[in-house]
Amino acid sequence: GAVVSQHPSWVICKSGTSVKIECRSLDFQATTMFWYRQFPKQSLMLMATSNEGSKATYEQGVEKDKFLINHASLTLSTLTVTSAHPEDSSFYICSATGSGSEYEQYFGPGTRLTVT
Amino acid sequence: AQSVTQPDIHITVSEGASLELRCNYSYGATPYLFWYVQSPGQGLQLLLKYFSGDTLVQGIKGFEAEFKRSQSSFNLRKPSVHWSDAAEYFCAVGAGSGGFKTIFGAGTRLFVKA
Repeated sequence: GAVVSQHPSWVICKSGTSVKIECRSLDFQATTMFWYRQFPKQSLMLMATSNEGSKATYEQGVEKDKFLINHASLTLSTLTVTSAHPEDSSFYICSATGSGSEYEQYFGPGTRLTVT
Repeated sequence: AQSVTQPDIHITVSEGASLELRCNYSYGATPYLFWYVQSPGQGLQLLLKYFSGDTLVQGIKGFEAEFKRSQSSFNLRKPSVHWSDAAEYFCAVGAGSGGFKTIFGAGTRLFVKA
């Protein structure tokens, strides 16, 4: 089956620094990747949608300059949290869809970000 | 705009008992419907999906769900719950017009008691 990985699985960073999270599709080409944010005991909130080679489409209320998304290849998308603050601490999950199956997303295992 | 409602924040069932998790959606056309399960600190695993056809959908781990258009519902069921089923369950609706998106419900936490 389709596998999506995320790296790192958890990260702690100091306030004011930036952190990059990678999302990779291991055995398929991901035409579209999605980034979600999940607060404790809450649902997933879609942050942005990215297509390979195009600029990401951000959901309303998501700061584009703070959450930089790059989808440079068909197997890799990155989310960079710039100038992180404690309120950015969250669980970030990516998902991907392949060509011919745009309605079925494959989810990564998530990345736990803690900003101190 | 599409939305998903899971009315039960948490449910407790005894091991071996039957389970039904409720899900209602709001969408103008026929939606794509999903049920996912999430264990603590983990990503999401797809249990089953409905796109079209037979309204009773079979999934993995013994789960099934029934799409009822008249009630805008897509409830998840399992005849006999196992302790390993304890997790968070998310119902989701997918739609695309200029780009496919998945909207998740708030989730239902399932507790299983021995």
